[in-house]
Amino acid sequence: GAVVSQHPSWVICKSGTSVKIECRSLDFQATTMFWYRQFPKQSLMLMATSNEGSKATYEQGVEKDKFLINHASLTLSTLTVTSAHPEDSSFYICSARDHQRNEQFFGPGTRLTVL
Amino acid sequence: AQSVAQPEDQVNVAEGNPLTVKCTYSVSGNPYLFWYVQYPNRGLQFLLKYITGDNLVKGSYGFEAEFNKSQTSFHLKKPSALVSDSALYFCAVSLSGGYNKLIFGAGTRLAVHP
Repeated sequence: GAVVSQHPSWVICKSGTSVKIECRSLDFQATTMFWYRQFPKQSLMLMATSNEGSKATYEQGVEKDKFLINHASLTLSTLTVTSAHPEDSSFYICSARDHQRNEQFFGPGTRLTVL
Repeated sequence: AQSVAQPEDQVNVAEGNPLTVKCTYSVSGNPYLFWYVQYPNRGLQFLLKYITGDNLVKGSYGFEAEFNKSQTSFHLKKPSALVSDSALYFCAVSLSGGYNKLIFGAGTRLAVHP
């Protein structure tokens, strides 16, 4: 199957700092990527849909100025958590849509801990 | 509104016994249904999907699921559980049109005991 990577796999930061998480499709081009957030022992909640070359579409209740998404190439989308606070601590998972295979592949996730 | 329900937080089964993880959905239009498995601190791994055609779908690792339109269900099954099947299982639905954004159920933790 296709491979989607995320970097870093885990990050610890101080409150007030910004953190960037990368999502890469390694062997296919992804015009669409999705960012999810997962709280402990809970389900995945879609945060936003990232489209290459255009603005991301955010789900209701997700602050676009807080969670900046950039999809500058067909293989890379980034999520920046700005001015992070402890309540932003979570497991962030991306997925990339392979249009040729009409499938969606998930990254391994990034665990963010804000102190 | 589109939604997915997994009524059981946890399912316990003895190794070698059959297992069922339940999922029901509510969507307008034709659903695209998926099952994913998640191991601790890992992303999601695809198990199987239903798009159209045969209601019984076979997937990875011996899992299968049956689409039941009248009951709006898509239960995950396996004839003989393994301890290594212990993980968190998510049912998801995609809105009509293909592999668009997924709506996930709350997840069901499967515990297979030796």
